Amino acid sequence: QVQVQESGPGLVEPSATLSLKCNVSGGSIRGYYFNWIRQTPGKGLEWIGSIFYSGTTVYNPSLDSRMSMSADMSKNQLSLDLTSVTAADTAVYYCVRVLGSSSWSGAFDLWGQGTMVTVSS
Amino acid sequence: AIRMTQSPSSFSASTGDRINITCRASQGVSSYVAWYQQKPGKAPRLLIHAASTLQSGVPSRFSGSGSGTGFTLTISCLQSDDFAIYYCQQYYGNPRTFGQGTQVELK
Repeated sequence: QVQVQESGPGLVEPSATLSLKCNVSGGSIRGYYFNWIRQTPGKGLEWIGSIFYSGTTVYNPSLDSRMSMSADMSKNQLSLDLTSVTAADTAVYYCVRVLGSSSWSGAFDLWGQGTMVTVSS
Repeated sequence: AIRMTQSPSSFSASTGDRINITCRASQGVSSYVAWYQQKPGKAPRLLIHAASTLQSGVPSRFSGSGSGTGFTLTISCLQSDDFAIYYCQQYYGNPRTFGQGTQVELK
């Protein structure tokens, strides 16, 4: 079955760029929107943005200026870069698929296990 | 951003109870609402989408209702496996937003 796995540095220094990868196995990213969602005890679940396998993106306006997402069909992989991080970006980051192919407008049906990122010097 | 407000934030219940969790959207979101269950250390799990459609593999004791600004998740006969945190989420507007969560604890 299709599985999603996030990977990242674990610890990032303040003002640096956070880079995360999402590997999809057991199925192709073709035809699907994938999202990045983060979770903190204080702010709960926060949607970061969405990317289609072709590269079309939709970002959360509150993070738009610091964010970049990409998709690599050859590696079946999605990527997230978040610049100028602060302690407020400390969170568990999830890679999540949208239910139903070719649609951005859907619930989130397939979640990775999440990767914890701490912003600290 | 559309605000999703859940109530209650937490409550205690017993196995076999019927429980309702409500979610109110700050503006109309049609039926573009999903419900998720999350257990400690795990990712959220999709239970209901399109306000009332049961996701494949989810037990039929879970059901959802509502449209517009008011939504309800019902668990008809609470099982021990159901003690968890539940979230509503709208996928009508940008950004997508979640409720703050409702923790269901064993009485």
